[in-house]
Amino acid sequence: NAGVTQTPKFQVLKTGQSMTLQCAQDMNHEYMSWYRQDPGMGLRLIHYSVGAGITDQGEVPNGYNVSRSTTEDFPLRLLSAAPSQTSVYFCASSYSQGQPQHFGDGTRLSIL
Amino acid sequence: DAKTTQPPSMDCAEGRAANLPCNHSTISGNEYVYWYRQIHSQGPQYIIHGLKNNETNEMASLIITEDRKSSTLILPHATLRDTAVYYCIVRVGAARAGNMLTFGGGTRLMVKP
Repeated sequence: NAGVTQTPKFQVLKTGQSMTLQCAQDMNHEYMSWYRQDPGMGLRLIHYSVGAGITDQGEVPNGYNVSRSTTEDFPLRLLSAAPSQTSVYFCASSYSQGQPQHFGDGTRLSIL
Repeated sequence: DAKTTQPPSMDCAEGRAANLPCNHSTISGNEYVYWYRQIHSQGPQYIIHGLKNNETNEMASLIITEDRKSSTLILPHATLRDTAVYYCIVRVGAARAGNMLTFGGGTRLMVKP
């Protein structure tokens, strides 16, 4: 039981490049979320999903896309990377709304 | 979701109890109190949550005042590995759009030898 797995752990991009951050969970959780954490700050919600085929925007969705084709996977796509998107990205999942969330170890992304 | 207020930092001696306070004076009747912590460079870790009764698990105890306007997370015997940022979050536990947690600044707990 691996929990929530995020890949890659580190990534450096150039401005304008696109990439996908991967998130997978093996706990059969319906709810999955993406957060970003900037230095010295709390987490901010980017996008979330309440089940396969259903996604919605969080607090800071601009510049990011998500899809949820399976229960296990919830990838986050950066369409055209900008330096303002330099951050640590965390994926989380939970069995249902209101249940405690399980977080991955994060992806540290730097955009030059 | 109700806003929470936590002290920015606290120190605790190793082996002693760490008591982390949280004010949530605007909490609604259907909102739960959740505690998470984040150890440096790791993802947040769930600790405990409660509605109105005190709760205890293998990690900590949660004491909620009778009027529910404040709560205290207690780590009974703090170790150096408990050094982390602790977040108190108040949110509706039942069905509501989204599953988001609103993380504020938290309390940076430093456990010292």
